[in-house]
Amino acid sequence: GNSVTQMEGPVTLSEEAFLTINCTYTATGYPSLFWYVQYPGEGLQLLLKATKADDKGSNKGFEATYRKETTSFHLEKGSVQVSDSAVYFCALRSNDYKLSFGAGTTVTVRA
Amino acid sequence: ETGVTQTPRHLVMGMTNKKSLKCEQHLGHNAMYWYKQSAKKPLELMFVYNFKEQTENNSVPSRFSPECPNSSHLFLHLHTLQPEDSALYLCASSGPDTDTQYFGPGTRLTVL
Repeated sequence: GNSVTQMEGPVTLSEEAFLTINCTYTATGYPSLFWYVQYPGEGLQLLLKATKADDKGSNKGFEATYRKETTSFHLEKGSVQVSDSAVYFCALRSNDYKLSFGAGTTVTVRA
Repeated sequence: ETGVTQTPRHLVMGMTNKKSLKCEQHLGHNAMYWYKQSAKKPLELMFVYNFKEQTENNSVPSRFSPECPNSSHLFLHLHTLQPEDSALYLCASSGPDTDTQYFGPGTRLTVL
């Protein structure tokens, strides 16, 4: 079946530090891959996505590249801000409409 | 108003109460979802509705009863819940021409 594994947190960083959150997946077919973000007290928001191999999704300074050979979709940001403190979820959508989520990684950025 | 809205945002109920959660989407989508988010656990898909028809029931206990009267509204009726049902309940929707699900802000449920 489909599954997503992402690095466990929590991750604590200083402002302007480089952020990487690892995500790997197992899926049949050719899934679409997503990163969602959940700010405190809110629901999930789509951060970025990629629908085929070698695609790069990007938004708000975050990037992730769909790597079929390593079945990975790692999230990166070159210089984080306090406002990036949130929980980040990697997810995949295979041939049906269902999303499979990772467990989430809590990121805290200190000023 | 746009996006996915959920009411109430917070709910405290006793184990013998009956309550309902409401979700409304203003995106013209045809599919709607209920998820349960518990501390330190991945999101759990509970129910899926596609064009008002239930297409997924992910082994959810019968004390949770969904209702989808039209493509824009989704309810989750709750009765005789247990304390372990305390969680954030998230609603989402998606359309036929997109593989992206859009989430509401959630209802924080506490069962005493």
